[in-house]
Amino acid sequence: AQKITQTQPGMFVQEKEAVTLDCTYDTSDQSYGLFWYKQPSSGEMIFLIYQGSYDEQNATEGRYSLNFQKARKSANLVISASQLGDSAMYFCAMREKEGGSEKLVFGKGTKLTVNP
Amino acid sequence: NAGVTQTPKFRVLKTGQSMTLLCAQDMNHEYMYWYRQDPGMGLRLIHYSVGEGTTAKGEVPDGYNVSRLKKQNFLLGLESAAPSQTSVYFCASTQSGTVNTEAFFGQGTRLTVV
Repeated sequence: AQKITQTQPGMFVQEKEAVTLDCTYDTSDQSYGLFWYKQPSSGEMIFLIYQGSYDEQNATEGRYSLNFQKARKSANLVISASQLGDSAMYFCAMREKEGGSEKLVFGKGTKLTVNP
Repeated sequence: NAGVTQTPKFRVLKTGQSMTLLCAQDMNHEYMYWYRQDPGMGLRLIHYSVGEGTTAKGEVPDGYNVSRLKKQNFLLGLESAAPSQTSVYFCASTQSGTVNTEAFFGQGTRLTVV
């Protein structure tokens, strides 16, 4: 079963508008971490934001915020005031303990295109 | 501050050839991971290591072997390359003990098997 599901293969947004990228996860652990990474066309993986399973407040980092709904097991990324440079692949990831060790698993990604 | 360094950055192999990808990190991280990235598939975990001398299978381990003889290095080996192993390979490392630390990635290795 897929641990991380990103249902939007591609998204389009107008410059300066906000956009939400969806992510749902599956785990039976109580302690886990959720991450979002950005991959521009140059290929590197850039860490954006983190949300812990015990965090009561939604994480924010500049124009990025994470809409964390624990009961629904969703961790959507919200990008406010989109910029042309936000065009990239975005990956949701989860780190959880499994069998005494920690694995980091990724979703399939969402390709975001920001239109001028 | 090198972080995570992958060698080589690009490689073309013929079917049946072998090669080793090297991942080196200078952050004293316990955990290291190897992923492959294919279009539409995201990053899939091949193997990972929770410390020096340990390795474990990930989601897609077949056709690959790994070794972690030194804490700072994690090697990914292809014994007999196949065209299906054409992919971009990423190495990552992270601290252990808690789930709240981000993973640091290498720049990727683009491998083509012809």
